[in-house]
Amino acid sequence: DAKTTQPPSMDCAEGRAANLPCNHSTISGNEYVYWYRQIHSQGPQYIIHGLKNNETNEMASLIITEDRKSSTLILPHATLRDTAVYYCIVRVASLMKTSYDKVIFGPGTSLSVIP
Amino acid sequence: DGGITQSPKYLFRKEGQNVTLSCEQNLNHDAMYWYRQDPGQGLRLIYYSQIVNDFQKGDIAEGYSVSREKKESFPLTVTSAQKNPTAFYLCASSHLSRRMEQPQHFGDGTRLSIL
Repeated sequence: DAKTTQPPSMDCAEGRAANLPCNHSTISGNEYVYWYRQIHSQGPQYIIHGLKNNETNEMASLIITEDRKSSTLILPHATLRDTAVYYCIVRVASLMKTSYDKVIFGPGTSLSVIP
Repeated sequence: DGGITQSPKYLFRKEGQNVTLSCEQNLNHDAMYWYRQDPGQGLRLIYYSQIVNDFQKGDIAEGYSVSREKKESFPLTVTSAQKNPTAFYLCASSHLSRRMEQPQHFGDGTRLSIL
């Protein structure tokens, strides 16, 4: 499984865009990039995922480089409630129905949104 | 509202005692998972199940046991053989698809401590 590398911590001013980078240089062609976040003492919350095209939903945008070796999660207008640990992970999209859906969570990026 | 319910939120275990953590989902998901999270670290997979009456070991299954008698329920027992059980335990579930791109949804966790 491909591994990911994220900065341990970042700060962002409230109301500004938060850009969280992730490196996944060993990603293979059938692996999706997923982003989750975890607010203290709660379970991780799914944010967004993508394969090779940029994606946008009501929470965030995901920009994946053309070579797929890195991606950026963008929170367009960060609020104090966006303070959390953000996890970038990769998952294999397998054609085998019974294959093991292994999700590897690393230490993530601790984002602090500052008033 | 659909979701994943974990109980209790806090649990204390005495030496030599087995304890069971509950996880129930009403999302009609086929797959369910148990993860362990230690302070400042990512998640590690304990057990997973893709279908009723079947489950597989994850990366750190020693000292734990599970059952999957109903689609909605996936209880985790922390046995006395688990020598370092103090951690935050997270249950997750997901649909299964051939392309394996369905995100996992998490409960809010159970924090287990040793008395």
